[in-house]
Amino acid sequence: GAGVSQSPSNKVTEKGKDVELRCDPISGHTALYWYRQRLGQGLEFLIYFQGNSAPDKSGLPSDRFSAERTGESVSTLTIQRTQQEDSAVYLCASSSGPFDGYTFGSGTRLTVV
Amino acid sequence: KQEVTQIPAALSVPEGENLVLNCSFTDSAIYNLQWFRQDPGKGLTSLLLIQSSQREQTSGRLNASLDKSSGRSTLYIAASQPGDSATYLCAVSDDKIIFGKGTRLHILP
Repeated sequence: GAGVSQSPSNKVTEKGKDVELRCDPISGHTALYWYRQRLGQGLEFLIYFQGNSAPDKSGLPSDRFSAERTGESVSTLTIQRTQQEDSAVYLCASSSGPFDGYTFGSGTRLTVV
Repeated sequence: KQEVTQIPAALSVPEGENLVLNCSFTDSAIYNLQWFRQDPGKGLTSLLLIQSSQREQTSGRLNASLDKSSGRSTLYIAASQPGDSATYLCAVSDDKIIFGKGTRLHILP
């Protein structure tokens, strides 16, 4: 596609439920990032995929968070047993290489009630 | 460890003024520097990308410069308009992309 697509755009879930967020990067982009942005706060790095290398998971806040990416395609971010502090906008970005810029999706707004 | 700092954190100026946003980074070994705009509740929109070998990029009323040796970049906005009100983020790319905390810009009508 022409841009990075994220779905759903909005998600309201009950505390304790699991959620899955999806990111479709631009075709051919080898690098993919997930970020979290709480209301009024800056971007918080979660996880980074680069091609077939092992992902950099150093930003995942707890073991309730996990992400997968198969090759250079779709990535899913899964949050298990959601908590209210997980409420945030989750942003995905992709790039074709280190010399190229990053394109962001519009994000998924997650609200845990 | 790469760190990116943006000054000022917030800025309010009357419409029509020219203004400068500043970004500094601690490690000059970068592939590129990118300026983004973020409107409230929205994603990030890329404004300008400066490759490490370049000194500046221009798009319309926006001009961004890069001085790798001093670890600095500036975003110049000419003839500011109320629609320019947003948060402006600077990001550098080495092995990963590292963001500053942003400058919240408010243009007063």
